[in-house]
Amino acid sequence: RKEVEQDPGPFNVPEGATVAFNCTYSNSASQSFFWYRQDCRKEPKLLMSVYSSGNEDGRFTAQLNRASQYISLLIRDSKLSDSATYLCAVNRGYQKVTFGTGTKLQVIP
Amino acid sequence: GAGVSQTPSNKVTEKGKYVELRCDPISGHTALYWYRQSLGQGPEFLIYFQGTGAADDSGLPNDRFFAVRPEGSVSTLKIQRTERGDSAVYLCASSRGGSSGELFFGEGSRLTVL
Repeated sequence: RKEVEQDPGPFNVPEGATVAFNCTYSNSASQSFFWYRQDCRKEPKLLMSVYSSGNEDGRFTAQLNRASQYISLLIRDSKLSDSATYLCAVNRGYQKVTFGTGTKLQVIP
Repeated sequence: GAGVSQTPSNKVTEKGKYVELRCDPISGHTALYWYRQSLGQGPEFLIYFQGTGAADDSGLPNDRFFAVRPEGSVSTLKIQRTERGDSAVYLCASSRGGSSGELFFGEGSRLTVL
């Protein structure tokens, strides 16, 4: 089983729609969780950290479910500019950061 | 700029040749990571430095791959006897270290092995 798993998509959604992605992780000792955004042929950039209590940044909401070992990202009111690949990342403390394969989002006019 | 710098941005080489890829992290960042990314895949972990030492090199695929960070800043990823399967984008990232997973990536070095 992969350490971090994501549905690769693509998710094709109309502008204004709400879309959600999940990411599962296999190691229960994982401590820190993140969502990164990667545009085509560009480097990944941190979108947001994921906190135990859940957190929101504008149209983006991230949640962590430790019992079921998954994190989620919700995007409300999708914009064309949200089209990208969304990578989840997991850190087991003072160790490597492991990425999922990414979920591709295409927002359609 | 103040970001992570990687050179070269593109490297084309022939099978069997030796390649070096360089990464200059953000000043003051103690942790440095190398990843490899193929088309349609997420970044695949190769090696992680905390300071000068390799804290985790479990992702290096075989002994043709080696990385150093002699002074705790700039790092070089070295690939010997390159194979066509080594073709990928090699990404370097740095962070403040500790338990943070907030990584700052360079633009990557695209390696093509003919």
